[in-house]
Amino acid sequence: DSGVTQTPKHLITATGQRVTLRCSPRSGDLSVYWYQQSLDQGLQFLIQYYNGEERAKGNILERFSAQQFPDLHSELNLSSLELGDSALYFCASSVGIAAVNEQFFGPGTRLTVL
Amino acid sequence: GQQLNQSPQSMFIQEGEDVSMNCTSSSIFNTWLWYKQDPGEGPVLLIALYKAGELTSNGRLTAQFGITRKDSFLNISASIPSDVGIYFCAGQTGANNLFFGTGTRLTVIP
Repeated sequence: DSGVTQTPKHLITATGQRVTLRCSPRSGDLSVYWYQQSLDQGLQFLIQYYNGEERAKGNILERFSAQQFPDLHSELNLSSLELGDSALYFCASSVGIAAVNEQFFGPGTRLTVL
Repeated sequence: GQQLNQSPQSMFIQEGEDVSMNCTSSSIFNTWLWYKQDPGEGPVLLIALYKAGELTSNGRLTAQFGITRKDSFLNISASIPSDVGIYFCAGQTGANNLFFGTGTRLTVIP
């Protein structure tokens, strides 16, 4: 158990819908990272927040957005969902701001778009 | 984004054998990391490498940061059944982004 929690574990929805994925970092960690893992793409970095502020952006689509709240939990919002958005979405947290600080990954949310 | 080519894509080995996998990039990285992902779990950091030429061990695992800064390898000695999983390399550039390889799926046959 990494100490990072993600909800829900599974999510099934239809194209065009909007969903919110939630992540609670390890106690004391200020950075939260979001990753997408699909079968043919490996792990893709989406976005990082540090202490409530956006710090780094990867290959995140405009239809996706994230935020980190004062209690440090984070939410990833996916809208106008397409079939290709089906994937595992991981959240990771770390103490510091640098991506090379050890990142602890949550168990992931499996999103299926039908 | 950056392209990390990881090979082999999959390996089937007998318990007790040594394993070697590598990761190459067309770009220079400042840091190389190796992660392992068990089924149904998130990746877990195995080894971090911070300078070119660095060779680091963690138990039966050994990893090296290539001298050109464009590659890294991971060796596992005397494999055991619990080594099964997907191994990912990851590299960091000057920007605060981590780029992951596509993974090596390891199967250990008892």
